[in-house]
Amino acid sequence: SQTIHQWPATLVQPVGSPLSLECTVEGTSNPNLYWYRQAAGRGLQLLFYSVGIGQISSEVPQNLSASRPQDRQFILSSKKLLLSDSGFYLCAWGNTEAFFGQGTRLTVV
Amino acid sequence: GQQVMQIPQYQHVQEGEDFTTYCNSSTTLSNIQWYKQRPGGHPVFLIQLVKSGEVKKQKRLTFQFGEAKKNSSLHITATQTTDVGTYFCAGLSSNYQLIWGAGTKLIIKP
Repeated sequence: SQTIHQWPATLVQPVGSPLSLECTVEGTSNPNLYWYRQAAGRGLQLLFYSVGIGQISSEVPQNLSASRPQDRQFILSSKKLLLSDSGFYLCAWGNTEAFFGQGTRLTVV
Repeated sequence: GQQVMQIPQYQHVQEGEDFTTYCNSSTTLSNIQWYKQRPGGHPVFLIQLVKSGEVKKQKRLTFQFGEAKKNSSLHITATQTTDVGTYFCAGLSSNYQLIWGAGTKLIIKP
């Protein structure tokens, strides 16, 4: 069966520090992969999606970037975090449905 | 662009009362999906509706997809404390992108 791993679960980072969140999927090949952000009490904002290795589509311009170095690995990065980057970051896989990881709760201080 | 509007934003109910959330799309959808997010958790896929006018049930939950494939509803009969959370709809567009509703938060009054 397919599983998705996302870490860390929580993260507190100072403003201006870099960020790297990793997500891996097992049990499937060539999945569509997604990064979403959810502000407290709000809906899901699609940040990036990828249909294959090295293929990244950005939905929202910001200081975040994504990479897909391997088929089942999706990484969300930032060179310098802003306070407004705080939120709940969710990785998901799926071709038509979305199956989410546990999420990373990021607080930028 | 394509949008899915979901209402209400919040619904407060007494335990045992019913709950309904509605989604309306600006365009015809290939399918509609429903997810539940428990407080502090991640969204979990509940169900997918594909056919025009489709109705599906999961125990006390009833899901409907409109005839025009542009609207959908989720109805929970006799809510329980385990139903607490935020319910999201997501429509699959013609170019296979998921368009998310803003969610409806179900709150059980003490």
